[in-house]
Amino acid sequence: SQQGEEDPQALSIQEGENATMNCSYKTSINNLQWYRQNSGRGLVHLILIRSNEREKHSGRLRVTLDTSKKSSSLLITASRAADTASYFCATAGQFGSSNTGKLIFGQGTTLQVKP
Amino acid sequence: ETGVTQTPRHLVMGMTNKKSLKCEQHLGHNAMYWYKQSAKKPLELMFVYSLEERVENNSVPSRFSPECPNSSHLFLHLHTLQPEDSALYLCASSQEGPQMPLQFFGPGTRLTVL
Repeated sequence: SQQGEEDPQALSIQEGENATMNCSYKTSINNLQWYRQNSGRGLVHLILIRSNEREKHSGRLRVTLDTSKKSSSLLITASRAADTASYFCATAGQFGSSNTGKLIFGQGTTLQVKP
Repeated sequence: ETGVTQTPRHLVMGMTNKKSLKCEQHLGHNAMYWYKQSAKKPLELMFVYSLEERVENNSVPSRFSPECPNSSHLFLHLHTLQPEDSALYLCASSQEGPQMPLQFFGPGTRLTVL
């Protein structure tokens, strides 16, 4: 089964409103990361929250993590048209005993911010 | 600009062609990744190289053949592809260590197989 499942799949809001996206996962994690992808482009890392953290801020972004519920949320405050993109959460595990990071991505939330 | 470049950005090929995708990272990282992104599906990890050795091959068909000649370059050789292989192919790099690292992605190659 797929880790990092986002909810909702699509979200449309007006500029200035807040956007909240949720992510659920199934197994233990080292950290959870949020990425953004503009249409047809590569992913850009937004924020990382470690398993021992509950909340983290970066500019207009706020991420929460509830390891008891295996869920995370990404809040974008005072949204702008330029925030229109797909947002993915990714959970990090390991390849066996290797330290090589393995990220498992969800299907993403497509956010449209209307001017 | 993430420090990871991919060429070509767009590629159209027939099912009998052989082509290669190239990825280069300018970040001094020691791990590189190939992902496949198809419409309405999660990113699929295809290959991982750490310190130039393949760590993971996620049951990818043999018509995809990766090559990592050094820590800065990663190739994906393509041959006898199928139309369902049409997708966005993303390369990423990271610096491995005890903490799970951030991955930096290239812009992707949009592949269309006719």
